Amino acid sequence: GAVVSQHPSWVICKSGTSVKIECRSLDFQATTMFWYRQFPKQSLMLMATSNEGSKATYEQGVEKDKFLINHASLTLSTLTVTSAHPEDSSFYICSASGLTAEAFFGQGTRLTVV
Amino acid sequence: AQSVTQPDIHITVSEGASLELRCNYSYGATPYLFWYVQSPGQGLQLLLKYFSGDTLVQGIKGFEAEFKRSQSSFNLRKPSVHWSDAAEYFCAVGPEGGNKLTFGTGTQLKVEL
Repeated sequence: GAVVSQHPSWVICKSGTSVKIECRSLDFQATTMFWYRQFPKQSLMLMATSNEGSKATYEQGVEKDKFLINHASLTLSTLTVTSAHPEDSSFYICSASGLTAEAFFGQGTRLTVV
Repeated sequence: AQSVTQPDIHITVSEGASLELRCNYSYGATPYLFWYVQSPGQGLQLLLKYFSGDTLVQGIKGFEAEFKRSQSSFNLRKPSVHWSDAAEYFCAVGPEGGNKLTFGTGTQLKVEL
């Protein structure tokens, strides 16, 4: 299958700072990327869908000003958690899909806000 | 609205025993169904998927799943569980192509030696 890489794998940041997470499709062009959030011992909740060159579509209850998503190229999407607070600590996972529309997942990013 | 139910939050089996993880879905159109496995702190690994055709699908690591439209189920099975199978298992449903997925709450599998 296709490879999707997330960076960093884990990050610790101070409360009030911003953190950027990258999601890259390494061997295919990802027209659509998805960002999920997973709380400890819970399922994955879709946060937003981004199409290359367009504004992201956020799921209900997700603050778009808090979670900035950019999908400027066919191989890269970024999620920026702005003014992070401890309650933003979570596991963030991206997935990417291209022509086949099947989604391939990154390995996830563990964010801890202290 | 689409939804996925995994009734079992935790399951414990002995190594070598058979395994069945339940998954029921609700979807308005033809469902595209998936099973993923997640080890602690890791991303998701696709075990198998069903789009159409034979309702019994084979996946990696000896897993299989059977799609039963009449029961809206897509249960995951393995004849003989290995200790390395201990992980969290997620069932998911999506639209044609299967990209924007709705996940179940997961089943935590523990394997006793």
